[in-house]
Amino acid sequence: AQSVTQLGSHVSVSEGALVLLRCNYSSSVPPYLFWYVQYPNQGLQLLLKYTSAATLVKGINGFEAEFKKSETSFHLTKPSAHMSDAAEYFCAVSGSKDSSYKLIFGSGTRLLVRP
Amino acid sequence: EPEVTQTPSHQVTQMGQEVILRCVPISNHLYFYWYRQILGQKVEFLVSFYNNEISEKSEIFDDQFSVERPDGSNFTLKIRSTKLEDSAMYFCASSSSGGFGKTQYFGPGTRLLVL
Repeated sequence: AQSVTQLGSHVSVSEGALVLLRCNYSSSVPPYLFWYVQYPNQGLQLLLKYTSAATLVKGINGFEAEFKKSETSFHLTKPSAHMSDAAEYFCAVSGSKDSSYKLIFGSGTRLLVRP
Repeated sequence: EPEVTQTPSHQVTQMGQEVILRCVPISNHLYFYWYRQILGQKVEFLVSFYNNEISEKSEIFDDQFSVERPDGSNFTLKIRSTKLEDSAMYFCASSSSGGFGKTQYFGPGTRLLVL
């Protein structure tokens, strides 16, 4: 079965600092990996996704993530945090041949950006 | 930009009552999903729907739940007899086609509170 683990339920950074949100996956088949962001009182918005093309994926709002098969990781980074990046971030996986394309989510990481 | 919409945004109901959560997926999308997020927990898959049939359902999606696409635009989730543990945020999502790497677009959610 596929699963996703997000290390750190809360991450706090200063404005302008590097953002690193961790995601590790477990999958017996080549995975498709996604990062979604949820701003307060809003739905989930896709930041970026990995679909077996380039291992370094660039997304919206300056975020990027690197797929590392050897580490089973898909960590999300941004060089310089903005106050507007404060939100909850979810890593998700799909790709099981027994699945109907459903997404399996991690438990989420809440990013706090300090002024 | 096309969006998935959901109504109502909030619903309060008494235990044992029936509720219907409504979603309008993006107009040319063919795959539809419901997910839920109990407060403080992961976003969980409930059901996927394609070609007027359920493609897959999770263990959560028992006989109390049903989905329907009553017309060309709406996609509904019905809970026949609500329980306290059904209190959660319910998200509808849609994608343009099948495929594990296809982006699922999420609505803003309906917060259901069962008293």
